[in-house]
Amino acid sequence: QKEVEQDPGPLSVPEGAIVSLNCTYSNSAFQYFMWYRQYSRKGPELLMYTYSSGNKEDGRFTAQVDKSSKYISLFIRDSQPSDSATYLCATFTGNQFYFGTGTSLTVIP
Amino acid sequence: ETGVTQSPTHLIKTRGQQVTLRCSSQSGHNTVSWYQQALGQGPQFIFQYYREEENGRGNFPPRFSGLQFPNYSSELNVNALELDDSALYLCASSWTGQGPYNEQFFGPGTRLTVL
Repeated sequence: QKEVEQDPGPLSVPEGAIVSLNCTYSNSAFQYFMWYRQYSRKGPELLMYTYSSGNKEDGRFTAQVDKSSKYISLFIRDSQPSDSATYLCATFTGNQFYFGTGTSLTVIP
Repeated sequence: ETGVTQSPTHLIKTRGQQVTLRCSSQSGHNTVSWYQQALGQGPQFIFQYYREEENGRGNFPPRFSGLQFPNYSSELNVNALELDDSALYLCASSWTGQGPYNEQFFGPGTRLTVL
């Protein structure tokens, strides 16, 4: 079983839609959860991270962690064509990071 | 403040050859991690260097090796290249301090193709 599982999509939505991206993880010891955005031919960039359970909001982006079900989500409100990218969830233990496979998102104008 | 840079951008090698990839850390960072990202996959942790010492390793064979220099730049060396080594190789730098979470900043990657 992989440490982090993510539906690879692809996901295609119209501009302005609410997008929901999801991951599950296997180890209840994980405490920090990150979401990265990766544009084509670029390295990942951190969008936001959360600690333990709960929600965290940053502009149009909301990250949610449910430790009871080992489920993490990223919601994008009022999606824009510039949001088209691959979104990666990640966590870590010690100095080793674990990434999901990434979900490819296309926002259609 | 300069970001993380990697060289070369692209590289083509043949099976059995050796390759060296380079990474320049973001200013002020003391830790470098290397990842392999195959097409359609998430990054896989290769190893991390902190203060010139290997500080953790993922599930990669010994033919993957690295170095970190006093200026915190780093190299990834891969010997006896195999076709499956074709991937995007990402370097990420961070500052290892007292907190449990240290944000990693990724470079643009080196695209390696093994023929």
